[in-house]
Amino acid sequence: GAGVSQSPSNKVTEKGKDVELRCDPISGHTALYWYRQSLGQGLEFLIYFQGNSAPDKSGLPSDRFSAERTGGSVSTLTIQRTQQEDSAVYLCASSWGGQGNEQFFGPGTRLTVL
Amino acid sequence: GNSVTQMEGPVTLSEEAFLTINCTYTATGYPSLFWYVQYPGEGLQLLLKATKADDKGSNKGFEATYRKETTSFHLEKGSVQVSDSAVYFCALRGQGTDKLIFGTGTRLQVFP
Repeated sequence: GAGVSQSPSNKVTEKGKDVELRCDPISGHTALYWYRQSLGQGLEFLIYFQGNSAPDKSGLPSDRFSAERTGGSVSTLTIQRTQQEDSAVYLCASSWGGQGNEQFFGPGTRLTVL
Repeated sequence: GNSVTQMEGPVTLSEEAFLTINCTYTATGYPSLFWYVQYPGEGLQLLLKATKADDKGSNKGFEATYRKETTSFHLEKGSVQVSDSAVYFCALRGQGTDKLIFGTGTRLQVFP
């Protein structure tokens, strides 16, 4: 596709359930990033992939959060045993990799935990 | 650690007014600096960037100058339009890193 896509666009779940959020980066982009945008915390970094490896996972808030990337393309962010404080917009971005390259953002997945 | 501080919003202006949104940063070494914009109902878009001291980034009439001596990257536009209404985020990428660190965002509302 022309840009970064994310699915679902909206997800409502009950506390304690697991959720999976998907990101399709721009074709050919080697770097992929997950960020979270919430009212209380602003826009914060979660994890960075270069290819299928994650050299920086420093932003994952707890061990309930995990992410993987396969084939150097699609990435899935999984949140286990969701809590109300996980409610946020989860943004994915991709780039050509390397520090000088622009990150292109997807439209986000709005997660609401009831 | 690295951080970004930007002015609280909302900023409310009349069309054709002058805009300044302040942004200061804390970082070791030589970070790259960015302004991103989020229009209503749309995703984050890069507005402009500067990668070294004294660089000026500019786009769509907006500009910002990387000032190392004051650790600032203030966003300015000489004459705003209603279509500039959006949330503006200042961000940095630390030297030797890939992740972006964002400010809290400033909502701009421009009225005709």
